[in-house]
Amino acid sequence: ILNVEQSPQSLHVQEGDSTNFTCSFPSSNFYALHWYRWETAKSPEALFVMTLNGDEKKKGRISATLNTKEGYSYLYIKGSQPEDSATYLCAFDTGRRALTFGSGTRLQVQP
Amino acid sequence: DGGITQSPKYLFRKEGQNVTLSCEQNLNHDAMYWYRQDPGQGLRLIYYSQIVNDFQKGDIAEGYSVSREKKESFPLTVTSAQKNPTAFYLCASSMGVGPLYEQYFGPGTRLTVT
Repeated sequence: ILNVEQSPQSLHVQEGDSTNFTCSFPSSNFYALHWYRWETAKSPEALFVMTLNGDEKKKGRISATLNTKEGYSYLYIKGSQPEDSATYLCAFDTGRRALTFGSGTRLQVQP
Repeated sequence: DGGITQSPKYLFRKEGQNVTLSCEQNLNHDAMYWYRQDPGQGLRLIYYSQIVNDFQKGDIAEGYSVSREKKESFPLTVTSAQKNPTAFYLCASSMGVGPLYEQYFGPGTRLTVT
């Protein structure tokens, strides 16, 4: 089973702080890297799918980068808001078109 | 509204009984997936199906079985051979070819076996 690691496990920040999380994955057999946001009492929702080394994606205040050669991806949130509170999951695909997930980073943003 | 439905939301069973979890989608997606979540862990892939009448084992398939007789349905049976069946189960679907696909998730079923 592939090892996808996320850090930190949890994070408490104040409203307005910027923050970032890390996802580490095997650098061999890379096909795609996904980021999902999972809010409490809701279903996980896709944020980004990245496939190319050096990819950068942005959605509002959230952005992500990808380094496939060294096997990591960063997720950045600029100016965190309470509604950003969620668990952020990354997931790795080797080409089977099915995902291996990390255990997630739980973010809490205090107003 | 298009989406994925899982029923029931909570399910209780006695040890030794098989139980089937329902997953239906009306998104016309080709691929469907089953994941399990345990406290403090990420989602772990149980089974997946890229097309009707075909499915593959995921990373933790032992003690589970699936069928894919219709495009919109992918039921998961938790058998008595599954040693630790109590968990939160999520179904997902996706469409498209190539690496740029997103998975859409259902609301989940929490199974408790005593």
